Amino acid sequence: AQSVTQLGSHVSVSEGALVLLRCNYSSSVPPYLFWYVQYPNQGLQLLLKYTTGATLVKGINGFEAEFKKSETSFHLTKPSAHMSDAAEYFCAVTLPSGSARQLTFGSGTQLTVLP
Amino acid sequence: NAGVTQTPKFRILKIGQSMTLQCAQDMNHNYMYWYRQDPGMGLKLIYYSVGAGITDKGEVPNGYNVSRSTTEDFPLRLELAAPSQTSVYFCASSYIAGGTEAFFGQGTRLTVV
Repeated sequence: AQSVTQLGSHVSVSEGALVLLRCNYSSSVPPYLFWYVQYPNQGLQLLLKYTTGATLVKGINGFEAEFKKSETSFHLTKPSAHMSDAAEYFCAVTLPSGSARQLTFGSGTQLTVLP
Repeated sequence: NAGVTQTPKFRILKIGQSMTLQCAQDMNHNYMYWYRQDPGMGLKLIYYSVGAGITDKGEVPNGYNVSRSTTEDFPLRLELAAPSQTSVYFCASSYIAGGTEAFFGQGTRLTVV
């Protein structure tokens, strides 16, 4: 079975600083990977996803992530944090032939942006 | 389009009471899911459905039941509420499983006292 580990349950950055949220996965086959964002009192919204092809994927709001098979990682980055980026971020993994029950979420990283 | 709509947004239940969390989607998605979110634990799959009339258990199904009589609706039933069911519940839908995006409702915050 696949699993996801998000390093750091809370991350604080200053406005304008680099955002780096870490995600490592475990999977028996190359997986599909997702980053979701959850704003306060809202549901989850897809930021970006990797399925096949280019390993650097760009998402909404200036975020991007790079799939590194050798490191089993899919870290999320943004060059310059904005106050509106404050939210909780979830990494998720599923298998390409996955059934509906195989979408697995990490425990989440709360991002705080300091003025 | 409304997307995925959950009702109610908040609810307080007493131990032993029952209730139904409603979920409806207007995107004609085949797949629908119920997750619970507990602090620091991410999302855990309770039940899912791959189409009308077909449901199956997820990771944490005990204490819950679901039905899927139409493509649009996927209600979650709590029969005998327990404090351990205090959580935030999310309904989601997707066109297919695997690499497609799941669309989430805004959640139902349930407290059992």
